[in-house]
Amino acid sequence: ETGVTQTPRHLVMGMTNKKSLKCEQHLGHNAMYWYKQSAKKPLELMFVYSLEERVENNSVPSRFSPECPNSSHLFLHLHTLQPEDSALYLCASSQAGTANYGYTFGSGTRLTVV
Amino acid sequence: LAKTTQPISMDSYEGQEVNITCSHNNIATNDYITWYQQFPSQGPRFIIQGYKTKVTNEVASLFIPADRKSSTLSLPRVSLSDTAVYYCLVGDSSGGYQKVTFGTGTKLQVIP
Repeated sequence: ETGVTQTPRHLVMGMTNKKSLKCEQHLGHNAMYWYKQSAKKPLELMFVYSLEERVENNSVPSRFSPECPNSSHLFLHLHTLQPEDSALYLCASSQAGTANYGYTFGSGTRLTVV
Repeated sequence: LAKTTQPISMDSYEGQEVNITCSHNNIATNDYITWYQQFPSQGPRFIIQGYKTKVTNEVASLFIPADRKSSTLSLPRVSLSDTAVYYCLVGDSSGGYQKVTFGTGTKLQVIP
């Protein structure tokens, strides 16, 4: 177990469905991130939460809605997705405020939009 | 954030030492250099981090020259299970959260 748990591991959803991805970290970190990794592309940063406040939103479409209710949990709410949104969605956490940073990633959710 | 450049791919035979070099000409004074490993359909895994000179752990060594404009990840005696994508990242989070941009990484293929 990496210390960052993502559920579900796999998700297939139709374009009209609403679903949520969940991330939980057990490391006491104070920053959490959502990344998207499409086939043969680099990881793309989507959202950053620091001390439970959203501090980054990298021009992500509104059909993706993040939520961070506390420092240990992060959600990504999905609705009316498109087939091009099919990708591996990765959650990560880190301890912001220290120079020697390090990310801990979860195993990801493989999302397929049909 | 400093931009990094690394080879797109490398091949190596089992049992050989593999060195992957990353260029980061615009590295800032407070930046650390961190390497991650990613297997297909998994999240990247932290391998090693350093600021200057040499760092070694049970998995790899990291060599950083005095000017810090490049770094080399060294994997001793690779096995088939080391086949993965390796990412070099440069940054500093002392001022708060860290927004890190991943490049394309280096795809290492270990051959039997």
